[in-house]
Amino acid sequence: ETGVTQTPRHLVMGMTNKKSLKCEQHLGHNAMYWYKQSAKKPLELMFVYNFKEQTENNSVPSRFSPECPNSSHLFLHLHTLQPEDSALYLCASSQDSFYGYTFGSGTRLTVV
Amino acid sequence: EDQVTQSPEALRLQEGESSSLNCSYTVSGLRGLFWYRQDPGKGPEFLFTLYSAGEEKEKERLKATLTKKESFLHITAPKPEDSATYLCAVQEETGWTGNQFYFGTGTSLTVIP
Repeated sequence: ETGVTQTPRHLVMGMTNKKSLKCEQHLGHNAMYWYKQSAKKPLELMFVYNFKEQTENNSVPSRFSPECPNSSHLFLHLHTLQPEDSALYLCASSQDSFYGYTFGSGTRLTVV
Repeated sequence: EDQVTQSPEALRLQEGESSSLNCSYTVSGLRGLFWYRQDPGKGPEFLFTLYSAGEEKEKERLKATLTKKESFLHITAPKPEDSATYLCAVQEETGWTGNQFYFGTGTSLTVIP
């Protein structure tokens, strides 16, 4: 059982919908991340939060909006997505940046 | 330019047929190299971290090695349950930022009974 929990596991949404992805880590880590994983592509870093402060935003479209209310929880708010946004969205956490990530199981998002 | 290249893209092995997966990298300063296993529909699961050339780590049938430009994941006498995608990631030594990890596209391993 991973120490990083993501919900929901699967999500189908229309292009005009608003939904949120949730991530919770039980490891006491101080950094949390959102990654996008598409077929045949390397994992793409979307957002980084270090001690609840956003430190990276890799030119992600504004239709993706992160929120980190505390060091254990991370959300990704979605609105007016495009079909090409369909992918596996992974949350990860780490203690500082030196020890690598612990990943959640991901949310499989399909935009119709 | 790709920072991390994994080969082969896909590998099919008979049960018991040993082989190696390759991860080559081009970052200037390596802080660490990570191997993950990913099963379909799941997040990557951490396997190993290697920090310096010559280092080796083992876990069951897996052994990871590191040189100055590449890493190998050796699989000895694989079983069907070893079937998964194996991801390599390198961490660049550029100070603290979450953007210092570079992932490869993975090797999809299928072990046939």
